[in-house]
Amino acid sequence: GAVVSQHPSWVICKSGTSVKIECRSLDFQATTMFWYRQFPKQSLMLMATSNEGSKATYEQGVEKDKFLINHASLTLSTLTVTSAHPEDSSFYICSAMPGLAAYNEQFFGPGTRLTVL
Amino acid sequence: KNQVEQSPQSLIILEGKNCTLQCNYTVSPFSNLRWYKQDTGRGPVSLTIMTFSENTKSNGRYTATLDADTKQSSLHITASQLSDSASYICVVSASGDYKLSFGAGTTVTVRA
Repeated sequence: GAVVSQHPSWVICKSGTSVKIECRSLDFQATTMFWYRQFPKQSLMLMATSNEGSKATYEQGVEKDKFLINHASLTLSTLTVTSAHPEDSSFYICSAMPGLAAYNEQFFGPGTRLTVL
Repeated sequence: KNQVEQSPQSLIILEGKNCTLQCNYTVSPFSNLRWYKQDTGRGPVSLTIMTFSENTKSNGRYTATLDADTKQSSLHITASQLSDSASYICVVSASGDYKLSFGAGTTVTVRA
């Protein structure tokens, strides 16, 4: 149980375009979902926290107008990278937290590799 | 500031050998500590999770220890296999805070 999927697994886009990444909890309802970014040989960095039906909370230094997050249902959150630039190229990972999980456990998705040309 | 430090940054071991990874943290108040395995290009997968009262937990060939007094944890890999090659991340959670504190990870390379 507790499976989280992401789509797409990788995407290549041109500079200036927008890219949408989906995060789904397949077998549980996630009241809270998280979006992380990971650069090569570095650990995960939290970008934002989203709760179903409300606006996302962004970490300091993360542009909310550039990284649009929507958590429209208890099983789906989306991250849209708007007007992507090469410096946005990274590995984006989502995680989902069930409402009543032990230890507030977060279950991670497999990640999405974004490459902006 | 909550911090998690891991050592070594990387290590290379021969197949069949054992190794131990270290994690020191300053997260307070402590809730739980988890070890994750992250294969290249994949998301982290949970190996073990320990609360304040637990000082050891095993998952197959992986054994984690926790000393809540000294705020140290270790992950021991027994009889390493090529598939153990990955990054191992120590993650600590504070009580009442859903945000996680991540270590930078230890990259383990197992060679035949």
